[in-house]
Amino acid sequence: QKEVEQNSGPLSVPEGAIASLNCTYSDRGSQSFFWYRQYSGKSPELIMFIYSNGDKEDGRFTAQLNKASQYVSLLIRDSQPSDSATYLCAVLAAPTDSWGKLQFGAGTQVVVTP
Amino acid sequence: GAVVSQHPSWVICKSGTSVKIECRSLDFQATTMFWYRQFPKQSLMLMATSNEGSKATYEQGVEKDKFLINHASLTLSTLTVTSAHPEDSSFYICSARARGSETQYFGPGTRLLVL
Repeated sequence: QKEVEQNSGPLSVPEGAIASLNCTYSDRGSQSFFWYRQYSGKSPELIMFIYSNGDKEDGRFTAQLNKASQYVSLLIRDSQPSDSATYLCAVLAAPTDSWGKLQFGAGTQVVVTP
Repeated sequence: GAVVSQHPSWVICKSGTSVKIECRSLDFQATTMFWYRQFPKQSLMLMATSNEGSKATYEQGVEKDKFLINHASLTLSTLTVTSAHPEDSSFYICSARARGSETQYFGPGTRLLVL
């Protein structure tokens, strides 16, 4: 059973602080990793993806990947109330899954307090 | 770029009727489309995967005769909920992936309420 685990939260973050979200996955053969944001009542929207070990920065967001430890994280700098949402970690299965299905975590709810 | 639309955004129907939901990739060709369902406060649940011109592959526990999927072109996939019942009321979301890309882009979702 391939699993993607996230803390459900809620993660309460003061405005302006850094929110740190973690995600672990069980399939060591996983190749690609995605972070989606889902506002209440809306569909997920892509924040960023990461394929290689290390950090990847995009604006206020930084994704970090450590394949040896099988975890991927997302940092949100200078958190704003508009960042309050559920953040979904998604993992692309090993290349044997040619359909490109993603395994989603249950999501971490982030609440940014003014 | 990478815009996916869904229609309708809301649908209310009587029990026993069928409902068709359309998913379109507006600015790219989607070789693979995915259909998800999400109940309130719960995770996304993948229902099925469809490749253009092929039969859909359904996840375990999803009735293929109840949830009919057609992926007739590289920009359009449809999900038909046949003989809908109140327990089918949910948020149905599609996503699309282009050839050679690993990224899925989601449509805005369709809320189905079966009375």
